[in-house]
Amino acid sequence: EDQVTQSPEALRLQEGESSSLNCSYTVSGLRGLFWYRQDPGKGPEFLFTLYSAGEEKEKERLKATLTKKESFLHITAPKPEDSATYLCAVQAEGGKLIFGQGTELSVKP
Amino acid sequence: EAGVVQSPRYKIIEKKQPVAFWCNPISGHNTLYWYRQNLGQGPELLIRYENEEAVDDSQLPKDRFSAERLKGVDSTLKIQPAELGDSAVYLCASSLLAGGGNEQFFGPGTRLTVL
Repeated sequence: EDQVTQSPEALRLQEGESSSLNCSYTVSGLRGLFWYRQDPGKGPEFLFTLYSAGEEKEKERLKATLTKKESFLHITAPKPEDSATYLCAVQAEGGKLIFGQGTELSVKP
Repeated sequence: EAGVVQSPRYKIIEKKQPVAFWCNPISGHNTLYWYRQNLGQGPELLIRYENEEAVDDSQLPKDRFSAERLKGVDSTLKIQPAELGDSAVYLCASSLLAGGGNEQFFGPGTRLTVL
């Protein structure tokens, strides 16, 4: 069964304190792994797509990496505006996205 | 470029009442998705359209839920009758194409509360 598990469920950081979020997955026929950011009361906002093990992508303070079993979202020197829920999703054959439950990140000044 | 538009943003109804949600996808996006997101969870797919055809509705509770996408553009999701457990955020998303690697862009969602 296709499944995505994110950890931790919640993460509290001080401004400038770097950390990583984990996304473990099992899927038959991975077509892509997606990271989204979701602010309260809003829909998920697309961040990255990763396609194959070893691939990395960066955007400002965020860097996403992918292995055959998991993905990491590294946050370097976070700021309070990085506070949000970060969702990981895998895309199986047919285009269906299977989401994890998300990691709620809080960055305190 | 305008994003995915959804209305209403909030809806409060009594159980057993009907409710409908509307979605206008990004212009030119052929594939449209409806997701349901419960509190503290990730979105779960309800139905996927390619143009006007529903190609994956396996997760749609067909006894009370229905959806349509006339002319392959706007879409409506309906619940009749609503139950307490239907309280959730209903998200619409669109992508240029279906299949591997095509990013899905989400609307702001409709928060449904069933009393």
